[in-house]
Amino acid sequence: NAGVTQTPKFRVLKTGQSMTLLCAQDMNHEYMYWYRQDPGMGLRLIHYSVGEGTTAKGEVPDGYNVSRLKKQNFLLGLESAAPSQTSVYFCASSWRTGTAYNEQFFGPGTRLTVL
Amino acid sequence: KQEVTQIPAALSVPEGENLVLNCSFTDSAIYNLQWFRQDPGKGLTSLLLIQSSQREQTSGRLNASLDKSSGRSTLYIAASQPGDSATYLCAVRQETSGSRLTFGEGTQLTVNP
Repeated sequence: NAGVTQTPKFRVLKTGQSMTLLCAQDMNHEYMYWYRQDPGMGLRLIHYSVGEGTTAKGEVPDGYNVSRLKKQNFLLGLESAAPSQTSVYFCASSWRTGTAYNEQFFGPGTRLTVL
Repeated sequence: KQEVTQIPAALSVPEGENLVLNCSFTDSAIYNLQWFRQDPGKGLTSLLLIQSSQREQTSGRLNASLDKSSGRSTLYIAASQPGDSATYLCAVRQETSGSRLTFGEGTQLTVNP
């Protein structure tokens, strides 16, 4: 199993450009998440999904959109990139056993710089 | 709003030492707590998941404890090695937040040979 993979690993954008980050998991997990990690602010949840075709806002959703058309994929879009979106982006996935929430597994991250 | 704090922010110890990392949270209504390790430039690796009904969880040289009522968890690392050098993060899953986690900022551990 590859686990959670993210594409691309690095990207440099100019202000106003758009891009899509792709997250894929091969563990058949229902839940998927997008986080950003910034120095001094820790990991913050951007958007998440509790199943195929569903998405919800996290703590810092502004400026981002997401889609979950297939269970194994979760896409994060930036329509008009801003320097404040320079960050490291992590995708994660998890599953549920009955009523029990299990651990989250993380991808390797995408380092995004917006000039 | 749940807040998770990890103290100290950085810790440097000699090889072989036993050490304790601390995590505190403000809202004790948690479902479970997860400890992660993050190496520089890498993603997070799950170390231990401890349920709210548990007091301890062990994996190899790692032992996590949870005192839900006082809002604290500790990660004990026995006989530390240079390969343990990394940032350790704790995250809590609240009873009212479903599968979502709230993270602390981490403790950066350096184990010196």
